[in-house]
Amino acid sequence: DQQVKQNSPSLSVQEGRISILNCDYTNSMFDYFLWYKKYPAEGPTFLISISSIKDKNEDGRFTVFLNKSAKHLSLHIVPSQPGDSAVYFCAASENNFNKFYFGSGTKLNVKP
Amino acid sequence: EPEVTQTPSHQVTQMGQEVILRCVPISNHLYFYWYRQILGQKVEFLVSFYNNEISEKSEIFDDQFSVERPDGSNFTLKIRSTKLEDSAMYFCASSSRTGGSPLHFGNGTRLTVT
Repeated sequence: DQQVKQNSPSLSVQEGRISILNCDYTNSMFDYFLWYKKYPAEGPTFLISISSIKDKNEDGRFTVFLNKSAKHLSLHIVPSQPGDSAVYFCAASENNFNKFYFGSGTKLNVKP
Repeated sequence: EPEVTQTPSHQVTQMGQEVILRCVPISNHLYFYWYRQILGQKVEFLVSFYNNEISEKSEIFDDQFSVERPDGSNFTLKIRSTKLEDSAMYFCASSSRTGGSPLHFGNGTRLTVT
């Protein structure tokens, strides 16, 4: 099942700089997208969402961009903080089902 | 902030044994889910549950699996006869409504089948 892909298993960024995490999907029926953050030994924590009627959603330091034609979304974290170091998952669903397909995750390391 | 709670945090069982994983979803949520993550792999959907019945299930969720909401607060996942390949982190999640609302996850139960 490769409907949602995160091709970068890891990313290292300096504190204060921008972190950009990418996600690609193949199913054109997906219309709701989420980003989750996960620390070791904890469950995924919801960060931010976007529906397909938008191309950008912003919440504080977190912004999600959606490019439907490219079937691509990205999460921008500005400025990055050491506490942001975690694994980030993107997830997608067809709106009526609430069945989310997850990417494999990107491990973000923010260096002080 | 309300949260989803799961017990136990770690369960070790022998192959062929039955296990029950327990979850208490957020109290005003109506939709409940089980996901699992095998070590090093993706988080995978198992089943969704609404109005006391399964609304959708994946191909993973075969006859060995069942879910139940025995009372107003608990939501359980039962594996009837565990296999080695059932070893994984099992996450319970809930949401307030379907269609465009995020899932809120518990911290998971690590199931180890020996």
